[in-house]
Amino acid sequence: DTGVSQDPRHKITKRGQNVTFRCDPISEHNRLYWYRQTLGQGPEFLTYFQNEAQLEKSRLLSDRFSAERPKGSFSTLEIQRTEQGDSAMYLCASSPQRQETQYFGPGTRLLVL
Amino acid sequence: KNQVEQSPQSLIILEGKNCTLQCNYTVSPFSNLRWYKQDTGRGPVSLTIMTFSENTKSNGRYTATLDADTKQSSLHITASQLSDSASYICVVSASSPDFGNEKLTFGTGTRLTIIP
Repeated sequence: DTGVSQDPRHKITKRGQNVTFRCDPISEHNRLYWYRQTLGQGPEFLTYFQNEAQLEKSRLLSDRFSAERPKGSFSTLEIQRTEQGDSAMYLCASSPQRQETQYFGPGTRLLVL
Repeated sequence: KNQVEQSPQSLIILEGKNCTLQCNYTVSPFSNLRWYKQDTGRGPVSLTIMTFSENTKSNGRYTATLDADTKQSSLHITASQLSDSASYICVVSASSPDFGNEKLTFGTGTRLTIIP
């Protein structure tokens, strides 16, 4: 399967714990995006990478959130001191160039108890 | 503020029937409009992407239209199948003066249910 993959698919954690998600984009896609989607809503943009450079971060991305893409391939999204409001589906997407279709991964569903 | 509004919020139709989903947007400057299908618990899958100069695009039984003057788009599904049950999300892209990023504004989606 050469699509976008995300790991884990599901994560249950207690409030206050740290969690880390991984995204492997389609090979040779230099653009990588992170989104958050809550139930009944469309995805909300969190952050975007062009190769290893993080070019934009949404105001939704508080100080507890950090994303990296160290080698311009896979990316990680870490949430520190999780809160119940962080419960959502976290989607990763990649695209080969500006304005090309973004291909989404299956998402990581986070539940903070 | 850039916004994308979709209607109806949910729709139930019989298998084999046609349906049309609507999308109105206020996104500027407009770059392109996309329709995605999202099955429950899965990531969105692209159906169509249209630029300013395109007013219709088909992908199998899915046909999207775009009226850039009225800022409206529709997604028409022909001869619906049970597997069409999903959320359909309208996404509008705004051109960004900054290097690289384009800004996507997502609608909340139309939840479509096909019943046998």
